Amino acid sequence: GDSVTQMEGPVTLSEEAFLTINCTYTATGYPSLFWYVQYPGEGLQLLLKATKADDKGSNKGFEATYRKETTSFHLEKGSVQVSDSAVYFCALIGYSSASKIIFGSGTRLSIRP
Amino acid sequence: GAVVSQHPSRVICKSGTSVKIECRSLDFQATTMFWYRQFPKQSLMLMATSNEGSKATYEQGVEKDKFLINHASLTLSTLTVTSAHPEDSSFYICSASYERGGTDTQYFGPGTRLTVL
Repeated sequence: GDSVTQMEGPVTLSEEAFLTINCTYTATGYPSLFWYVQYPGEGLQLLLKATKADDKGSNKGFEATYRKETTSFHLEKGSVQVSDSAVYFCALIGYSSASKIIFGSGTRLSIRP
Repeated sequence: GAVVSQHPSRVICKSGTSVKIECRSLDFQATTMFWYRQFPKQSLMLMATSNEGSKATYEQGVEKDKFLINHASLTLSTLTVTSAHPEDSSFYICSASYERGGTDTQYFGPGTRLTVL
Protein backbone atom coordinates (compact mmCIF):
# COMPACT_ATOMS: atom_id res chain seq x y z
CA GLY A 1 0.00 0.00 0.00
CA ASP A 2 0.89 3.65 -0.15
CA SER A 3 3.24 5.00 2.49
CA VAL A 4 5.26 8.06 3.45
CA THR A 5 8.62 8.09 5.22
CA GLN A 6 10.08 11.26 6.65
CA MET A 7 13.14 11.97 8.70
CA GLU A 8 12.84 11.53 12.40
CA GLY A 9 13.18 14.51 14.63
CA PRO A 10 13.57 16.49 16.57
CA VAL A 11 15.51 18.83 14.35
CA THR A 12 17.07 21.80 16.10
CA LEU A 13 18.54 24.70 14.12
CA SER A 14 19.69 28.22 14.77
CA GLU A 15 17.73 31.13 13.36
CA GLU A 16 18.59 31.90 9.70
CA ALA A 17 19.93 28.38 9.11
CA PHE A 18 19.01 26.37 6.01
CA LEU A 19 16.36 23.73 6.54
CA THR A 20 15.81 20.40 4.81
CA ILE A 21 13.30 17.83 6.00
CA ASN A 22 13.47 14.69 3.91
CA CYS A 23 10.37 12.88 2.71
CA THR A 24 10.10 9.87 0.44
CA TYR A 25 7.01 8.00 -0.61
CA THR A 26 5.80 4.70 -1.98
CA ALA A 27 2.74 4.77 -4.21
CA THR A 28 1.47 3.52 -7.52
CA GLY A 29 0.94 6.02 -10.28
CA TYR A 30 1.21 9.72 -9.58
CA PRO A 31 -0.02 10.66 -6.12
CA SER A 32 -0.59 14.22 -4.97
CA LEU A 33 1.96 15.27 -2.35
CA PHE A 34 1.52 17.61 0.59
CA TRP A 35 3.32 19.19 3.51
CA TYR A 36 1.26 20.05 6.58
CA VAL A 37 2.45 22.07 9.57
CA GLN A 38 1.16 21.92 13.13
CA TYR A 39 2.02 24.85 15.37
CA PRO A 40 1.82 24.33 19.16
CA GLY A 41 -1.77 24.04 20.33
CA GLU A 42 -3.22 24.30 16.83
CA GLY A 43 -4.54 21.91 14.18
CA LEU A 44 -2.63 20.78 11.11
CA GLN A 45 -2.55 23.36 8.34
CA LEU A 46 -1.77 22.75 4.70
CA LEU A 47 1.62 24.35 4.00
CA LEU A 48 2.10 23.46 0.33
CA LYS A 49 1.30 20.82 -2.22
CA ALA A 50 2.25 19.47 -5.65
CA THR A 51 0.06 17.36 -7.85
CA LYS A 52 2.37 16.21 -10.64
CA ALA A 53 5.98 15.35 -11.29
CA ASP A 54 8.45 18.27 -11.29
CA ASP A 55 5.86 20.61 -9.76
CA LYS A 56 7.21 22.85 -7.02
CA GLY A 57 4.96 23.79 -4.14
CA SER A 58 5.85 26.91 -2.18
CA ASN A 59 4.46 28.95 0.67
CA LYS A 60 5.86 31.18 3.44
CA GLY A 61 9.40 30.72 2.13
CA PHE A 62 9.12 26.92 2.17
CA GLU A 63 9.52 24.91 -1.02
CA ALA A 64 9.25 21.28 -2.05
CA THR A 65 9.67 19.72 -5.48
CA TYR A 66 7.85 16.58 -6.61
CA ARG A 67 10.63 14.22 -7.77
CA LYS A 68 9.17 11.16 -9.44
CA GLU A 69 12.57 9.62 -10.20
CA THR A 70 13.59 9.60 -6.54
CA THR A 71 10.03 9.39 -5.13
CA SER A 72 10.83 12.34 -2.90
CA PHE A 73 9.24 15.58 -1.77
CA HIS A 74 11.83 17.18 0.51
CA LEU A 75 10.86 20.36 2.35
CA GLU A 76 13.36 23.24 2.25
CA LYS A 77 13.63 26.78 3.53
CA GLY A 78 16.61 29.04 3.02
CA SER A 79 16.48 30.92 6.33
CA VAL A 80 14.36 29.67 9.19
CA GLN A 81 12.82 31.80 11.90
CA VAL A 82 11.87 31.04 15.49
CA SER A 83 8.22 31.21 14.39
CA ASP A 84 8.83 28.19 12.12
CA SER A 85 9.11 25.95 15.19
CA ALA A 86 6.38 23.34 14.69
CA VAL A 87 5.77 19.74 13.67
CA TYR A 88 5.85 19.12 9.91
CA PHE A 89 4.00 16.24 8.25
CA CYS A 90 4.62 14.95 4.76
CA ALA A 91 1.55 13.33 3.18
CA LEU A 92 0.11 11.92 -0.02
CA ILE A 93 -3.19 11.11 -1.63
CA GLY A 94 -2.81 8.28 -4.10
CA TYR A 95 -4.91 5.97 -6.23
CA SER A 96 -4.51 2.89 -4.07
CA SER A 97 -5.15 4.78 -0.84
CA ALA A 98 -8.74 5.36 -1.98
CA SER A 99 -8.54 9.12 -1.62
CA LYS A 100 -7.38 8.97 1.98
CA ILE A 101 -4.54 11.17 3.15
CA ILE A 102 -1.54 9.02 4.09
CA PHE A 103 0.65 10.88 6.57
CA GLY A 104 4.27 10.49 7.55
CA SER A 105 5.12 10.33 11.24
CA GLY A 106 5.95 14.01 11.54
CA THR A 107 9.19 15.89 12.21
CA ARG A 108 9.45 18.28 15.12
CA LEU A 109 11.46 21.40 14.27
CA SER A 110 12.83 23.73 16.94
CA ILE A 111 14.56 26.98 16.02
CA ARG A 112 16.93 28.65 18.49
CA PRO A 113 17.06 32.46 18.54
CA GLY B 1 -11.44 31.42 8.33
CA ALA B 2 -11.91 27.64 8.28
CA VAL B 3 -11.41 27.02 11.97
CA VAL B 4 -12.10 23.66 13.56
CA SER B 5 -12.25 23.23 17.32
CA GLN B 6 -12.17 20.16 19.51
CA HIS B 7 -13.37 19.72 23.06
CA PRO B 8 -11.96 18.71 25.42
CA SER B 9 -8.30 19.20 24.62
CA ARG B 10 -7.32 16.66 27.27
CA VAL B 11 -9.32 14.04 29.13
CA ILE B 12 -8.38 11.45 31.72
CA CYS B 13 -10.86 8.73 32.52
CA LYS B 14 -11.08 5.43 34.32
CA SER B 15 -11.09 2.13 32.49
CA GLY B 16 -14.61 1.06 31.54
CA THR B 17 -16.08 4.53 31.23
CA SER B 18 -17.15 6.26 28.03
CA VAL B 19 -15.71 9.49 26.74
CA LYS B 20 -17.21 11.88 24.20
CA ILE B 21 -15.06 14.17 22.06
CA GLU B 22 -16.64 17.03 20.12
CA CYS B 23 -15.45 18.46 16.83
CA ARG B 24 -16.94 21.73 15.59
CA SER B 25 -16.46 23.74 12.42
CA LEU B 26 -16.71 27.32 13.66
CA ASP B 27 -17.07 29.35 10.48
CA PHE B 28 -18.14 26.97 7.74
CA GLN B 29 -20.51 24.10 7.13
CA ALA B 30 -18.73 20.78 7.28
CA THR B 31 -20.30 18.40 4.83
CA THR B 32 -17.69 15.78 5.63
CA MET B 33 -15.76 15.17 8.83
CA PHE B 34 -12.87 12.83 9.45
CA TRP B 35 -11.55 11.28 12.65
CA TYR B 36 -7.91 10.31 13.04
CA ARG B 37 -5.88 8.65 15.75
CA GLN B 38 -2.20 9.33 16.37
CA PHE B 39 0.12 7.19 18.44
CA PRO B 40 3.36 8.68 19.81
CA LYS B 41 5.95 9.23 17.08
CA GLN B 42 3.64 7.71 14.50
CA SER B 43 1.56 9.12 11.73
CA LEU B 44 -2.11 10.02 11.82
CA MET B 45 -4.29 7.04 11.00
CA LEU B 46 -7.74 7.61 9.57
CA MET B 47 -10.41 5.97 11.70
CA ALA B 48 -13.60 6.97 9.95
CA THR B 49 -15.24 9.39 7.56
CA SER B 50 -18.68 10.82 8.14
CA ASN B 51 -20.96 12.80 5.89
CA GLU B 52 -23.61 14.92 7.53
CA GLY B 53 -26.80 12.96 8.03
CA SER B 54 -25.26 9.63 7.05
CA LYS B 55 -23.69 6.80 8.97
CA ALA B 56 -19.94 6.97 9.30
CA THR B 57 -17.68 4.84 7.13
CA TYR B 58 -15.07 3.11 9.25
CA GLU B 59 -11.62 2.05 8.15
CA GLN B 60 -10.66 -1.58 8.27
CA GLY B 61 -9.74 -2.67 11.77
CA VAL B 62 -11.63 0.12 13.55
CA GLU B 63 -14.42 -1.16 15.79
CA LYS B 64 -17.53 0.83 15.03
CA ASP B 65 -19.25 -0.31 18.22
CA LYS B 66 -16.35 0.98 20.27
CA PHE B 67 -15.81 4.26 18.46
CA LEU B 68 -19.25 5.76 17.92
CA ILE B 69 -19.36 8.65 15.50
CA ASN B 70 -22.29 11.01 15.13
CA HIS B 71 -22.45 13.78 12.54
CA ALA B 72 -25.91 15.13 13.15
CA SER B 73 -25.36 18.70 12.00
CA LEU B 74 -23.22 20.58 9.52
CA THR B 75 -21.06 22.02 12.28
CA LEU B 76 -20.72 19.23 14.82
CA SER B 77 -19.42 15.68 14.89
CA THR B 78 -18.83 13.63 18.01
CA LEU B 79 -16.61 10.63 18.70
CA THR B 80 -17.56 8.52 21.70
CA VAL B 81 -15.05 5.99 22.95
CA THR B 82 -17.19 3.41 24.72
CA SER B 83 -15.91 1.29 27.60
CA ALA B 84 -12.48 2.83 27.27
CA HIS B 85 -9.40 0.80 28.13
CA PRO B 86 -5.75 1.85 28.54
CA GLU B 87 -4.96 0.75 24.98
CA ASP B 88 -7.40 3.40 23.75
CA SER B 89 -5.14 6.11 25.17
CA SER B 90 -4.08 8.19 22.21
CA PHE B 91 -4.28 11.56 20.49
CA TYR B 92 -7.53 11.93 18.54
CA ILE B 93 -7.74 14.51 15.76
CA CYS B 94 -10.75 15.53 13.71
CA SER B 95 -10.89 17.40 10.45
CA ALA B 96 -13.70 18.91 8.44
CA SER B 97 -14.31 19.75 4.82
CA TYR B 98 -16.99 21.86 3.18
CA GLU B 99 -16.89 19.44 0.26
CA ARG B 100 -18.56 16.03 0.28
CA GLY B 101 -15.72 13.53 0.58
CA GLY B 102 -13.29 16.49 0.46
CA THR B 103 -10.08 14.61 1.16
CA ASP B 104 -7.75 17.36 0.01
CA THR B 105 -9.71 20.26 1.49
CA GLN B 106 -9.61 19.25 5.14
CA TYR B 107 -9.23 21.70 8.02
CA PHE B 108 -7.89 20.08 11.16
CA GLY B 109 -8.76 20.50 14.80
CA PRO B 110 -6.04 20.82 17.47
CA GLY B 111 -6.60 17.30 18.79
CA THR B 112 -7.75 15.67 22.03
CA ARG B 113 -5.41 13.70 24.21
CA LEU B 114 -7.18 10.79 25.88
CA THR B 115 -5.59 8.99 28.79
CA VAL B 116 -7.36 5.93 30.17
CA LEU B 117 -6.19 4.81 33.60
